[in-house]
Amino acid sequence: GAVVSQHPSWVICKSGTSVKIECRSLDFQATTMFWYRQFPKQSLMLMATSNEGSKATYEQGVEKDKFLINHASLTLSTLTVTSAHPEDSSFYICSAETAGEETQYFGPGTRLLVL
Amino acid sequence: QKEVEQDPGPLSVPEGAIVSLNCTYSNSAFQYFMWYRQYSRKGPELLMYTYSSGNKEDGRFTAQVDKSSKYISLFIRDSQPSDSATYLCAMSDSNQFYFGTGTSLTVIP
Repeated sequence: GAVVSQHPSWVICKSGTSVKIECRSLDFQATTMFWYRQFPKQSLMLMATSNEGSKATYEQGVEKDKFLINHASLTLSTLTVTSAHPEDSSFYICSAETAGEETQYFGPGTRLLVL
Repeated sequence: QKEVEQDPGPLSVPEGAIVSLNCTYSNSAFQYFMWYRQYSRKGPELLMYTYSSGNKEDGRFTAQVDKSSKYISLFIRDSQPSDSATYLCAMSDSNQFYFGTGTSLTVIP
């Protein structure tokens, strides 16, 4: 149980385009979903926290207009990187938390390369 | 002072060794403690989850929480090359999660 999927697993795009990453909880309802960014050999950096049906809470320094987060249902959250630039190239990981469990289950991550 | 401190390593051990990974923390409100394993280019995988103090064992893995010392440990017995990964500690006070920076472990055959 507690499986989180992400799609796509990797994406290459041109600078200036937008990329959407999906995060799904497959066998549980995720009351809260988290989006992280991770650079090579570095720890997770929390970007934003989202609860189903409400606006995401962004961490300081994360541009909400650039990283659009939608948590439309209890099993799906999406992160859209708008007008992507090479510096947005990174490993993006989502995680999900369910009510009553104080732990996060992570997706496999999405590797984004912006050319 | 960071909420959670974890030695980044790297740590190299021979196959079969006992590995001890540790984190310290400053917030006495933390009640939930987790260890994640992250292989290169993959998302973190939950290994152990402990509530409050005490020990928890799962196969070759043992998690210990000492709330009086604000110290948590993960022990890996009979370490295998497949255990080579980065190990992240995490803890929560029900409001927010805090992660350690991760310890890179290599088990040498």
